[in-house]
Amino acid sequence: GAVVSQHPSRVICKSGTSVKIECRSLDFQATTMFWYRQFPKQSLMLMATSNEGSKATYEQGVEKDKFLINHASLTLSTLTVTSAHPEDSSFYICSARDSAFLHFGNGTRLTVT
Amino acid sequence: GENVEQHPSTLSVQEGDSAVIKCTYSDSASNYFPWYKQELGKGPQLIIDIRSNVGEKKDQRIAVTLNKTAKHFSLHITETQPEDSAVYFCAASLVLGGADGLTFGKGTHLIIQP
Repeated sequence: GAVVSQHPSRVICKSGTSVKIECRSLDFQATTMFWYRQFPKQSLMLMATSNEGSKATYEQGVEKDKFLINHASLTLSTLTVTSAHPEDSSFYICSARDSAFLHFGNGTRLTVT
Repeated sequence: GENVEQHPSTLSVQEGDSAVIKCTYSDSASNYFPWYKQELGKGPQLIIDIRSNVGEKKDQRIAVTLNKTAKHFSLHITETQPEDSAVYFCAASLVLGGADGLTFGKGTHLIIQP
């Protein structure tokens, strides 16, 4: 079946640095990918919709300059957390649409120290 | 916008018993209702879904029912097994399969007691 690969699975960075998270669709092309944030014991919150070849669409309250999204090919979207701070520590998950259905990556646990 | 309520937040059942998780939605235009299972440290996985033109769908030990009039849908797991322990999320969408418009419930932590 369709597989979405997300990398890295865990990352620890120092406050003020930037971190890039990759989301790849392995056996299908995805013109649209989505990025979510999940706090402990809470539901997924959609952060942005990533469109191949165009600018991402951000949800209200999500800082586009802080969470940079690039969708340069039909199989890869990246989320860069710039100038990370401890409050950015969270579980970030991507998903990609394969025809009618969504497939999720396994998430990235970001810890900012 | 759409609002999805999910209950209970935690559900503990004996192995072999059945588990039922319920969700309600607010937007009568929603037409697609997926359920996701999320194991610790992993992303959600689609386990079953139902469209608004169907009242019930079953896949082995898992079934989903939909009551459009009452705007609620439920996940039923029979003969529960330890590997069913996870967090389950319901969702509602205006577009089949689309994340835009996909609203998640808050999740149910299902615990299967041996």
